[in-house]
Amino acid sequence: NAGVMQNPRHLVRRRGQEARLRCSPMKGHSHVYWYRQLPEEGLKFMVYLQKENIIDESGMPKERFSAEFPKEGPSILRIQQVVRGDSAAYFCASSPAPGQGSGNTIYFGEGSWLTVV
Amino acid sequence: QKEVEQNSGPLSVPEGAIASLNCTYSDRGSQSFFWYRQYSGKSPELIMFIYSNGDKEDGRFTAQLNKASQYVSLLIRDSQPSDSATYLCAAVSGGYNKLIFGAGTRLAVHP
Repeated sequence: NAGVMQNPRHLVRRRGQEARLRCSPMKGHSHVYWYRQLPEEGLKFMVYLQKENIIDESGMPKERFSAEFPKEGPSILRIQQVVRGDSAAYFCASSPAPGQGSGNTIYFGEGSWLTVV
Repeated sequence: QKEVEQNSGPLSVPEGAIASLNCTYSDRGSQSFFWYRQYSGKSPELIMFIYSNGDKEDGRFTAQLNKASQYVSLLIRDSQPSDSATYLCAAVSGGYNKLIFGAGTRLAVHP
């Protein structure tokens, strides 16, 4: 997972506040994925993005959650009006474009642990 | 709903033994499968991936894939206490690297 940078590593928010999680993919990777892991559960796919383009957001909750991957800068996962149920680990992963060389390799960042109090 | 199923464990094996971790998947269209190791409070660490029927070996790890049975397994030879972790099986869904994860199997290797 070296190279996929996430910040902050730990974030505490009060109910109703906004949380912004950032992810910079590995060098040379153009595809970013966000996953959420609730306590004692597996990882759940949230969204898949390329630069300036959301490819698949089928795992995103319909409200309060949004993601972007601008032309410049990191990918951002934004959670508005957080609730206690949003407390989880949020992992970002990156890969090269599928089919390009080692496109099967998907590496995860260290994660951002969100705690809503 | 495309699913990946794993026994949650814990699977307990003595040091030096072979640990066998199993996974089944529901989407016959899945072509690639990944095994990740996750220590408590840490991020998933890629162990290996497999996309062809049969066995794939990497050091102490062997992944096995049987597409007819929709079954993937991971064997860990000469298990060490440091292998104690949760092992996540994932299947690629769709035409890109969208991973569908199982809930993970906890492995405990005791001295």
